[in-house]
Amino acid sequence: EAQVTQNPRYLITVTGKKLTVTCSQNMNHEYMSWYRQDPGLGLRQIYYSMNVEVTDKGDVPEGYKVSRKEKRNFPLILESPSPNQTSLYFCASSFEPTGMPGTQYFGPGTRLTVL
Amino acid sequence: AQSVAQPEDQVNVAEGNPLTVKCTYSVSGNPYLFWYVQYPNRGLQFLLKYITGDNLVKGSYGFEAEFNKSQTSFHLKKPSALVSDSALYFCAVRPPSGTYKYIFGTGTRLKVLA
Repeated sequence: EAQVTQNPRYLITVTGKKLTVTCSQNMNHEYMSWYRQDPGLGLRQIYYSMNVEVTDKGDVPEGYKVSRKEKRNFPLILESPSPNQTSLYFCASSFEPTGMPGTQYFGPGTRLTVL
Repeated sequence: AQSVAQPEDQVNVAEGNPLTVKCTYSVSGNPYLFWYVQYPNRGLQFLLKYITGDNLVKGSYGFEAEFNKSQTSFHLKKPSALVSDSALYFCAVRPPSGTYKYIFGTGTRLKVLA
């Protein structure tokens, strides 16, 4: 089944404790992205990647890191989480062979609470 | 600054009535426009997109959207609402910049009443 998976789905942690949220897609998509969803703010893009070893900042990259060492995986790293990073996180991927925007496929989300 | 506005936090409509969920954008050039739907405790699902061509775009589950360049709007519509359409709807814009940047609206909660 074609899908985007995220782990963990739920995480409660404490301020300053490094964590990684994994994202994996099995559709051979080149494009991947991370978003956070907050009430009243909608989705905001954190980072995106247009290919292996190619990443760029979205609108809210502060406090986050990403890496894209292989096509299927795009982990989100919080080196020193803070309470304002408590949010619902989504990973997405898409295929754009002609250079025109494709359909983004979203993962199920990761609910992160930082105490 | 580039932005997307969904002016209504919530839209209530009776089952069987037509529905409209509004979206306007402020992006230079000719952006690409999208609608996504989020059901409770689920990720977002694609509904439809406008890339170029016909201003009326048809999508999944009987939804359609009309692109209006002069009003910079991309309103989502459905002729006859179903209770199962109740969900959170997001409008999104991708500027024609050659990047993978997306700008989402704040979302509109649609409630279809039986």
